[in-house]
Amino acid sequence: DQQVKQNSPSLSVQEGRISILNCDYTNSMFDYFLWYKKYPAEGPTFLISISSIKDKNEDGRFTVFLNKSAKHLSLHIVPSQPGDSAVYFCAASASTDSWGKLQFGAGTQVVVTP
Amino acid sequence: DVKVTQSSRYLVKRTGEKVFLECVQDMDHENMFWYRQDPGLGLRLIYFSYDVKMKEKGDIPEGYSVSREKKERFSLILESASTNQTSMYLCASSFGPNYGYTFGSGTRLTVV
Repeated sequence: DQQVKQNSPSLSVQEGRISILNCDYTNSMFDYFLWYKKYPAEGPTFLISISSIKDKNEDGRFTVFLNKSAKHLSLHIVPSQPGDSAVYFCAASASTDSWGKLQFGAGTQVVVTP
Repeated sequence: DVKVTQSSRYLVKRTGEKVFLECVQDMDHENMFWYRQDPGLGLRLIYFSYDVKMKEKGDIPEGYSVSREKKERFSLILESASTNQTSMYLCASSFGPNYGYTFGSGTRLTVV
């Protein structure tokens, strides 16, 4: 049973516009959330994270929003660029997990068109 | 530059073969993980290790085993490869909770 869900398998957006990726989770123990970006034939690379004590975190063009009551987070990319075309994975962990295991969503394929 | 290195980018193996996937990290991380990535299923945890010679099952350990004889090296073993183990295998390492992972480049395994 997937504890982290990304219900949109794909997203197409024009260059310069905003990309919004959504993620829902079911485990109320999750208190640390991350987004990873993955290009084909490469491993995922860390993009941005947020702790449950915050509701927003920004890093350049990337902003993650967390709504704990709805168990929902989103990633905003503004403005979108062609190099942002990749698969984006949402991940979550609980600080009560001694080993910091991450649970991942199924991923969202983003395509940025010129 | 810190790294997680997976020894093979692409592998093709025959059904029934014993397959070894190797992973080495140079960050002195305690925790190491093996995931597989399949379309529509995301990344699923196979096994992880939190210390030398220590291992724990993940969500899908059936058909796999692991070995961690040294802190920097974590091996995934397919005892008898089957076609349903055709997948992208990703190794990762981490300091622990709230640190996230560093991933290797992945091994694309095809079992024929």
